[in-house]
Amino acid sequence: GDSVTQMEGPVTLSEEAFLTINCTYTATGYPSLFWYVQYPGEGLQLLLKATKADDKGSNKGFEATYRKETTSFHLEKGSVQVSDSAVYFCALSTFMDTGRRALTFGSGTRLQVQP
Amino acid sequence: EPEVTQTPSHQVTQMGQEVILRCVPISNHLYFYWYRQILGQKVEFLVSFYNNEISEKSEIFDDQFSVERPDGSNFTLKIRSTKLEDSAMYFCASSVGEGRQETQYFGPGTRLLVL
Repeated sequence: GDSVTQMEGPVTLSEEAFLTINCTYTATGYPSLFWYVQYPGEGLQLLLKATKADDKGSNKGFEATYRKETTSFHLEKGSVQVSDSAVYFCALSTFMDTGRRALTFGSGTRLQVQP
Repeated sequence: EPEVTQTPSHQVTQMGQEVILRCVPISNHLYFYWYRQILGQKVEFLVSFYNNEISEKSEIFDDQFSVERPDGSNFTLKIRSTKLEDSAMYFCASSVGEGRQETQYFGPGTRLLVL
């Protein structure tokens, strides 16, 4: 079945450091790819998405490029802030028989940014 | 900005009891989902719902689970006879249903503890 693999956390960075969180996937068919973020005490929020190869999703300074050849969707940010401390989930959408999509999630990566 | 809401935020119950988790999806959305996250594990798809019927369900969604949209706004997940292993965070999500561009929006979750 489909699966998503993320780097283990926690990732601890100093403010203004460069961030990369690796994500690779296995999927049948042609999935769409997502990054969700969960801030402490809150639900899952969509951070960015990409729906086809070579698309770049971006939001709030975060970017990720859909790389079909390496089946990857790594999350990057050039300069992290303390407010970026959260758990980040990579996910893909899977076609089902009905055509509706279920999300398959990675295990999540906790990011801690220190002042 | 419209958001998915869930009640209660926390629920403690005794093994064997029935629980109902409630969700109010975003008002113009047509597709509804339940996911769960057992502590320390991945977010897992349970069920999707469209046009007043289940579209798809995972292996986790066995006979003890049911979903319902009792009125025009609420979407509920019922667990008939809770087990210890049902302890998890349960997330509701909804989407408009826009094909490849589809994005699921999540609620803050209900943390269920079965004793």
